[in-house]
Amino acid sequence: EVQLVESGGGLVKPGGSLRLSCAASGITFNNAWMSWVRQAPGKGLEWVGRIKSKTDGGTTDYAAPVKGRFTISRDDSRYTLYLQMNSLKTEDTAFYYCTTEQVGLIYNWFDPWGQGTLVTVSS
Amino acid sequence: DIQMTQSPSSLSASVGDRVTITCRASQRISSYLNWYQQKPGKAPKLLIYAASSLQSGVPSRFSGSGSGTDFTLTISSLQPEDFATYYCQQSYSTPWTFGQGTKVEFK
Repeated sequence: EVQLVESGGGLVKPGGSLRLSCAASGITFNNAWMSWVRQAPGKGLEWVGRIKSKTDGGTTDYAAPVKGRFTISRDDSRYTLYLQMNSLKTEDTAFYYCTTEQVGLIYNWFDPWGQGTLVTVSS
Repeated sequence: DIQMTQSPSSLSASVGDRVTITCRASQRISSYLNWYQQKPGKAPKLLIYAASSLQSGVPSRFSGSGSGTDFTLTISSLQPEDFATYYCQQSYSTPWTFGQGTKVEFK
């Protein structure tokens, strides 16, 4: 069974930093494209960014609101995905989900998803 | 960025009803459209990918259709476990974007 488990969420002051982790099991992690998606409490889903597998270049893409502040990385030996969040703003308060981006022959989709971890940015 | 607009934002329905949710893209996206279901306090779950392909394990009462800019998610006979919020998502070009969600509530 594929499992994604996020950790590292918590309360942080504006301007602070936090690193989230996502531990994967049941998948060939080194071949997986991984994304972070967030959801502010009571709001909709927002894609944060993704990292491709190293065999596909290991490159990253980010959404405009987090570009330059957030960094996605991976440790394939530990089956772990990371999200380093710097210069945090109150509007970054959200549940953060990691998800596998399934890359089909033509189409991509997100499946499965972790249970999420809550990040609260507040003074 | 491609904007995704769902309608309605919420709807009330009864068990056994046929429910249709629409999703419109701000530009043509062929069939690069996915649907997710989210229940309160839970992570989203994939229902439909590539506009009309049913994810393994998802009941056949769920179906998706459309291409280009207009898409629909249909639940043929609403069941108690289907009361949830549904999101569409385009996978045509990054940044990947979601619709604002449609909440299906009990009438």
